[in-house]
Amino acid sequence: GAGVSQTPSNKVTEKGKYVELRCDPISGHTALYWYRQSLGQGPEFLIYFQGTGAADDSGLPNDRFFAVRPEGSVSTLKIQRTERGDSAVYLCASSATEPYNEQFFGPGTRLTVL
Amino acid sequence: AQSVTQPDIHITVSEGASLELRCNYSYGATPYLFWYVQSPGQGLQLLLKYFSGDTLVQGIKGFEAEFKRSQSSFNLRKPSVHWSDAAEYFCAVGPTGYALNFGKGTSLLVTP
Repeated sequence: GAGVSQTPSNKVTEKGKYVELRCDPISGHTALYWYRQSLGQGPEFLIYFQGTGAADDSGLPNDRFFAVRPEGSVSTLKIQRTERGDSAVYLCASSATEPYNEQFFGPGTRLTVL
Repeated sequence: AQSVTQPDIHITVSEGASLELRCNYSYGATPYLFWYVQSPGQGLQLLLKYFSGDTLVQGIKGFEAEFKRSQSSFNLRKPSVHWSDAAEYFCAVGPTGYALNFGKGTSLLVTP
């Protein structure tokens, strides 16, 4: 079946602009996660959803970052007033309900802020 | 503070040789433990996981890992490396299986 998909695959924007990154999880997966991976680093947890609600948003770096999952499926990560330090690969993952179920990762969106 | 350490940034092994990648963690209790692999142009793929029970866990692609509570370690091993194993390997831990804390990764190079 289809895996986790993310769009766009690449996004180039200018400092100060607003961006939206989209994640389509595996059908039926109730948990959805966002991570950020900077060059040479491991993924950094941002937020995870159970259904429509954010169960843990402790990883969001500041209030410029916001994520939604209004219908419990597709999720959008929104970044306001982008800064050059936001440049990274943003990864989305999804899993079935149980905490020990495997997180399936998408290919990521590479964000470049000029 | 909770942390994950992968001491080796790069490792080079010859094809057919054995492999061990190190992972140490600092958590208040036994966390959920994972190893992921990331190949160029590919997404992260789960190799294996540990939550409880037998401390030696088997994963995909011939990998295994051993949880050692006394050393706060969860090292990844493979008895014979193949050229296709060249990739970036990440250890990840979490108080549950949800919000994972990843190490910085170990880049594996396999030589002929």
